[in-house]
Amino acid sequence: NAGVTQTPKFQVLKTGQSMTLQCAQDMNHEYMSWYRQDPGMGLRLIHYSVGAGITDQGEVPNGYNVSRSTTEDFPLRLLSAAPSQTSVYFCASSRTRSDEQFFGPGTRLTVL
Amino acid sequence: AQKVTQAQTEISVVEKEDVTLDCVYETRDTTYYLFWYKQPPSGELVFLIRRNSFDEQNEISGRYSWNFQKSTSSFNFTITASQVVDSAVYFCALRTPSGYALNFGKGTSLLVTP
Repeated sequence: NAGVTQTPKFQVLKTGQSMTLQCAQDMNHEYMSWYRQDPGMGLRLIHYSVGAGITDQGEVPNGYNVSRSTTEDFPLRLLSAAPSQTSVYFCASSRTRSDEQFFGPGTRLTVL
Repeated sequence: AQKVTQAQTEISVVEKEDVTLDCVYETRDTTYYLFWYKQPPSGELVFLIRRNSFDEQNEISGRYSWNFQKSTSSFNFTITASQVVDSAVYFCALRTPSGYALNFGKGTSLLVTP
């Protein structure tokens, strides 16, 4: 099993550009989440999904969109990048609501 | 509301010292799950332990041990005989059946020097 994979590992954007961060898991997990990690802030939930076709907002959803067309994939879209979105982004998945989440390696995004 | 507090921002110890990382949580749910994750300098998040609210037994795994006390809402993590490879940021997290993801503390950065 590859576990949770994320691409790209690094990305630099200019303000106003859009892009999609990819996330995939091969463990047939229903629950998937996107977090952002900023210095001194821990990890904050952006969006999550409880299954294909079902998504909802987390703590810091503004400026991001998600969709879940398959169990495996959960892409995160930045609609119009802003410097405040400079962060490290982690995708995670779990089998149930109570299980541990498995994390991808992260994407380091810089918005100039 | 759920909340996790890791009051220690940074800890520095010398190799072979024991070190305890504190975690205090808040939740109104009677069923909940507590976790510890390690984030080494390479950046990935490594799962260490999961504990449910009905199991207050302490757990030991090699040099790592965890002390769960519902009476004080704490889930502390102790590393015995610390090593340089233990240098990392450690996160405590809480998950409840009514929630859909983890609530993380802000992390404790541990530096172990030779």
